Amino acid sequence: AQSVTQPDIHITVSEGASLELRCNYSYGATPYLFWYVQSPGQGLQLLLKYFSGDTLVQGIKGFEAEFKRSQSSFNLRKPSVHWSDAAEYFCAVPNQAGTALIFGKGTTLSVSS
Amino acid sequence: NAGVMQNPRHLVRRRGQEARLRCSPMKGHSHVYWYRQLPEEGLKFMVYLQKENIIDESGMPKERFSAEFPKEGPSILRIQQVVRGDSAAYFCASSRPSGAGNTGELFFGEGSRLTVL
Repeated sequence: AQSVTQPDIHITVSEGASLELRCNYSYGATPYLFWYVQSPGQGLQLLLKYFSGDTLVQGIKGFEAEFKRSQSSFNLRKPSVHWSDAAEYFCAVPNQAGTALIFGKGTTLSVSS
Repeated sequence: NAGVMQNPRHLVRRRGQEARLRCSPMKGHSHVYWYRQLPEEGLKFMVYLQKENIIDESGMPKERFSAEFPKEGPSILRIQQVVRGDSAAYFCASSRPSGAGNTGELFFGEGSRLTVL
């Protein structure tokens, strides 16, 4: 069955430092993969998505993610973190029926000054 | 230019009462999804609806929970005889007719936070 694992519950990064959030998936075929961000008290916003083609995808707010089939991973990266990036980040894949997205448990990012 | 609208944003109910959460999808969207979010558990899919049809309710509890998306008006998630364990944030999302699996472009509302006393 499809599933998503985000190994890190909470990460703290200094402002200006680089960031990598991990996501591992289990999927029966070539997956569609997504990263969403949730600010406190808000809904989720799509950061980026991978369907096919180039394994390095660019998203909004300076984020990118790389699909690595051999590692079943889709890690999210940003070269230089800003204080406004503090939020919760979710990785997602479609369920088996293709009727909804399955989300990981999320990684909370804190940014220190 | 309204996004997904959910109301109420906050709802307090006593055990045994009913909770009704409403969701108006984005303009042009005919697919609605309900998710429940509990602390440290992420978002759990509950139900996927199109106008007048429930497409996938595999994540809905078997009892007390129901959802509808009528031809006219918002989608409604209804919880009867609420218990303390129902306290959570409930998020609605909508998508274009191609659906979640094809595009992943789910647009989320800001959620309804239910507290059961």
